[in-house]
Amino acid sequence: KAGVTQTPRYLIKTRGQQVTLSCSPISGHRSVSWYQQTPGQGLQFLFEYFSETQRNKGNFPGRFSGRQFSNSRSEMNVSTLELGDSALYLCASSLEAGGPDTGELFFGEGSRLTVL
Amino acid sequence: AQSVTQPDIHITVSEGASLELRCNYSYGATPYLFWYVQSPGQGLQLLLKYFSGDTLVQGIKGFEAEFKRSQSSFNLRKPSVHWSDAAEYFCAVGASSASKIIFGSGTRLSIRP
Repeated sequence: KAGVTQTPRYLIKTRGQQVTLSCSPISGHRSVSWYQQTPGQGLQFLFEYFSETQRNKGNFPGRFSGRQFSNSRSEMNVSTLELGDSALYLCASSLEAGGPDTGELFFGEGSRLTVL
Repeated sequence: AQSVTQPDIHITVSEGASLELRCNYSYGATPYLFWYVQSPGQGLQLLLKYFSGDTLVQGIKGFEAEFKRSQSSFNLRKPSVHWSDAAEYFCAVGASSASKIIFGSGTRLSIRP
């Protein structure tokens, strides 16, 4: 079974630009969540999508947005990039079956964004 | 408020020595508890999880963790570490959906040859 796939793995942008990151979850997983990882702030929750609906959003500005498609693939977008947006962006999928497996996250390898 | 504390930022142990990584949590209800490992340049991989039942949980790669409700702790242990265990380890507490999973700040493990 293929794991969570994130593209691109690495990218460099300049301040003011926008970026779109993609995440393909494990087949059968309907929940996709996004995290920002930085050395100073650790892992911070961005948002979670389930069946094309945003269920929850973390404490990030409106420049950060996302969406989920009918095949459960998800994209996140960051507009008007700032230097502080440089981070590893991790996508995770989960079953959301409501049973004991609920909450177990399967992570992709991440997209490393550098903003110059 | 829900929180997870990993008091050790960086730990160095000798290869073959035993390991214990500390994790304390604050959570209003019975928590779901997780340990994840992140190798350099990689995403996070689940080592083990606790939902209910036996408080000593076995995971992959020879790791185990013990849930102690009275101490609000979920420490990770391994009897003998290998050089390949060098990584960052995250404790997490959560509920029924991914958005409610809170991660600790992580403990970086280095292995001394």
